[in-house]
Amino acid sequence: EAQVTQNPRYLITVTGKKLTVTCSQNMNHEYMSWYRQDPGLGLRQIYYSMNVEVTDKGDVPEGYKVSRKEKRNFPLILESPSPNQTSLYFCATRTSGRDNEQFFGPGTRLTVL
Amino acid sequence: RKEVEQDPGPFNVPEGATVAFNCTYSNSASQSFFWYRQDCRKEPKLLMSVYSSGNEDGRFTAQLNRASQYISLLIRDSKLSDSATYLCVVTYSNSGYALNFGKGTSLLVTP
Repeated sequence: EAQVTQNPRYLITVTGKKLTVTCSQNMNHEYMSWYRQDPGLGLRQIYYSMNVEVTDKGDVPEGYKVSRKEKRNFPLILESPSPNQTSLYFCATRTSGRDNEQFFGPGTRLTVL
Repeated sequence: RKEVEQDPGPFNVPEGATVAFNCTYSNSASQSFFWYRQDCRKEPKLLMSVYSSGNEDGRFTAQLNRASQYISLLIRDSKLSDSATYLCVVTYSNSGYALNFGKGTSLLVTP
């Protein structure tokens, strides 16, 4: 079954404690990205990757890091989380090409106290 | 600033009604257009792509007007299961065709 998985699905943490949200896809897609969704602000792109070892900033990259060492995985790293990073995070993947459907993971709800 | 604007609603309509959502985008270099559907606290899912010639999928019709930078979605014979948030999405070539989302229009179909 084609799928995008994220872990953890829910996380409550404290300010400054490094965390990683994993994203994995089994569809052999080149393009992967991370979004955050906040009430009143909609979905905003954090980082994206067009292929292995190729990453770039999206609209709201501050406070986040990513890596793409393997095609299937695209972890999101918060080195020093802050309360303003409390949000719903989605990982997404698609094949290359502008018209291709983007598939989203189930989301990770992060609360930073 | 890449802007995609939608009326947030909510649109409350009875079952069987026809409802239309509109979306405007500000960047004339926009390349591709989509409507996504998002159920409460779930991931967005592609509803349909939007083409200049217009396209229809069952009860759903999407249209694009590039000259006016305007996209629409028409839902006929609304079902209770259509209740969701509908996201207008535009891509631009200068960001790897990243999806740029409107904030969504909320639809509630009532019995």
